[in-house]
Amino acid sequence: RKEVEQDPGPFNVPEGATVAFNCTYSNSASQSFFWYRQDCRKEPKLLMSVYSSGNEDGRFTAQLNRASQYISLLIRDSKLSDSATYLCVVSPYGGSQGNLIFGKGTKLSVKP
Amino acid sequence: GAVVSQHPSWVICKSGTSVKIECRSLDFQATTMFWYRQFPKQSLMLMATSNEGSKATYEQGVEKDKFLINHASLTLSTLTVTSAHPEDSSFYICSASWVGTAGGEQFFGPGTRLTVL
Repeated sequence: RKEVEQDPGPFNVPEGATVAFNCTYSNSASQSFFWYRQDCRKEPKLLMSVYSSGNEDGRFTAQLNRASQYISLLIRDSKLSDSATYLCVVSPYGGSQGNLIFGKGTKLSVKP
Repeated sequence: GAVVSQHPSWVICKSGTSVKIECRSLDFQATTMFWYRQFPKQSLMLMATSNEGSKATYEQGVEKDKFLINHASLTLSTLTVTSAHPEDSSFYICSASWVGTAGGEQFFGPGTRLTVL
């Protein structure tokens, strides 16, 4: 089983749609969870951290289920600019010293 | 804040030559820097972790004699790909963090695209 698994997509949605991405991770001792966004041929950029209680940032909502080792990202009212690859990222450690384990990413394409 | 730069942004070299990539934290002191590699349609894979002033820790399967990492200061780490071959062609990305960044957050450089002919 891969350490971090994501549906590769692509997800092709119209503007204004709501889209959800899922991710599972294998290490039950993982401490930190993130969603990153990566545009084509660019570096990943942090979209949001994911907390056990769930968290929301504007149109983006992230959820974590530790029991199921499952992370989700919901994007509401999709914009053309949301088109990118979304990376589920897990860290086995807390704090700044641990490495990040990346999923392969889910590609999103928002169409007019 | 938390800006990381990389140089060069792309490089093309002949097989057998060595290539040095620089990673700089511009507005903070990076106690730890990470080097990742990403092949097309693949996830980022950690190559090594380096702490300022000490030897890098390499991930399994990464040859430390081929990928030389130096982290001589709190704002600069370098990755040298020695005797590069076409299979080393990839997107190399560094990231940096410091003690106290929340929950393991890292700040990424813009990446260096290496093509070995």
